[in-house]
Amino acid sequence: DGGITQSPKYLFRKEGQNVTLSCEQNLNHDAMYWYRQDPGQGLRLIYYSQIVNDFQKGDIAEGYSVSREKKESFPLTVTSAQKNPTAFYLCASFSGKVADTQYFGPGTRLTVL
Amino acid sequence: QKEVEQDPGPLSVPEGAIVSLNCTYSNSAFQYFMWYRQYSRKGPELLMYTYSSGNKEDGRFTAQVDKSSKYISLFIRDSQPSDSATYLCAMSSAGGTSYGKLTFGQGTILTVHP
Repeated sequence: DGGITQSPKYLFRKEGQNVTLSCEQNLNHDAMYWYRQDPGQGLRLIYYSQIVNDFQKGDIAEGYSVSREKKESFPLTVTSAQKNPTAFYLCASFSGKVADTQYFGPGTRLTVL
Repeated sequence: QKEVEQDPGPLSVPEGAIVSLNCTYSNSAFQYFMWYRQYSRKGPELLMYTYSSGNKEDGRFTAQVDKSSKYISLFIRDSQPSDSATYLCAMSSAGGTSYGKLTFGQGTILTVHP
């Protein structure tokens, strides 16, 4: 089955700790994205990558970091500098074709204790 | 002012009703318009995808785009309890540095009760 997987589904973190969220896709898509979703605020773009070893900041990149060493993988690290990290995090990918759009993974719920 | 405005609801309708969900936008460069459905604690799934102005129908769902008014709609006919979800509109401009970047509305929470 082709798709996007995110792990873990639920993640708990103590204040001051960094955590890394996993995103893997086997769709052979060039582009990958990370979003944050908070109640009543829709999806906000954190980082995106159009190609391996390259990525750009989105609208709310402060306190987050990413890497893109492989086409299939785009992990997101939530650092201790992120002031309000409790949220639902969504990963997406995109083929780059004109008639196509983004497809999403199942999400990771991060809670800071 | 946000680039994409969507009434967050919540919207509650009886089973069998026709549902109308709407978004307005300000960026005239948007050419691709999408509706995603998101069940609670799940990732969004693509429901409808349209290019430029016009209508597109898929079963009980119809998407309309009016670029002159910067207004898009999603109609759900014969709504079912299984349609209860959050509906997100999204849009993007073509090519260049946008490369598939989407701008989302806030999402409308819909409940269809039996």
